[in-house]
Amino acid sequence: EAAVTQSPRSKVAVTGGKVTLSCHQTNNHDYMYWYRQDTGHGLRLIHYSYVADSTEKGDIPDGYKASRPSQENFSLILELASLSQTAVYFCASSDAGGLTGQLYFGEGSKLTVL
Amino acid sequence: GQQVKQSSPSLTVQEGGISILNCDYENDMFDYFAWYKKYPDNSPTLLISVRSNVDKREDGRFTVFLNKSGKHFSLHITASQPEDTAVYLCAAGLNQGGSAKLIFGEGTKLTVSS
Repeated sequence: EAAVTQSPRSKVAVTGGKVTLSCHQTNNHDYMYWYRQDTGHGLRLIHYSYVADSTEKGDIPDGYKASRPSQENFSLILELASLSQTAVYFCASSDAGGLTGQLYFGEGSKLTVL
Repeated sequence: GQQVKQSSPSLTVQEGGISILNCDYENDMFDYFAWYKKYPDNSPTLLISVRSNVDKREDGRFTVFLNKSGKHFSLHITASQPEDTAVYLCAAGLNQGGSAKLIFGEGTKLTVSS
């Protein structure tokens, strides 16, 4: 069974503070992704990675950094959190970029920036 | 701009009827198309997918139709059931030099009324 776990599941942060969202997968997948979900926008790709120690910008990377220290772990970092970054964040993994197999999503991390 | 677009934010269908959800895309290089299903407070899961070399794929009550010339694909759900009530996210993707990413639409909330 595919397993992608995210932490924390919920977080309240202050504007200007630093937030780190962590993702761990036990699927032995090469590809990992960070998406954010907003009402009316579906899922938007922030950053992704297809190999450890390398990350790629997605469609909305501004204000976010990503880190892939190992195949299993992929973090999303908000150095200076802003109100507009309040959203639910989903991490996902795939063994082939999601193009021949499915994306396996984590449970989501609800971030509220006050 | 939005590369993958679902023009209908919501759809209501009677139980037993056919649900048709639509998705348009901009990039004619996309070669993979998928539908994900999402229940509230849950993570998305793959429902059905198709590669660009076919124009139709059926899996039980679910069929995806691909119209490449029109840059459009759709999901048909026959004999719709109340448990089909969920948000449906279409997605399209391409593989460029080993860097693959999947772009999602905004989602369509399907309600099947009994």
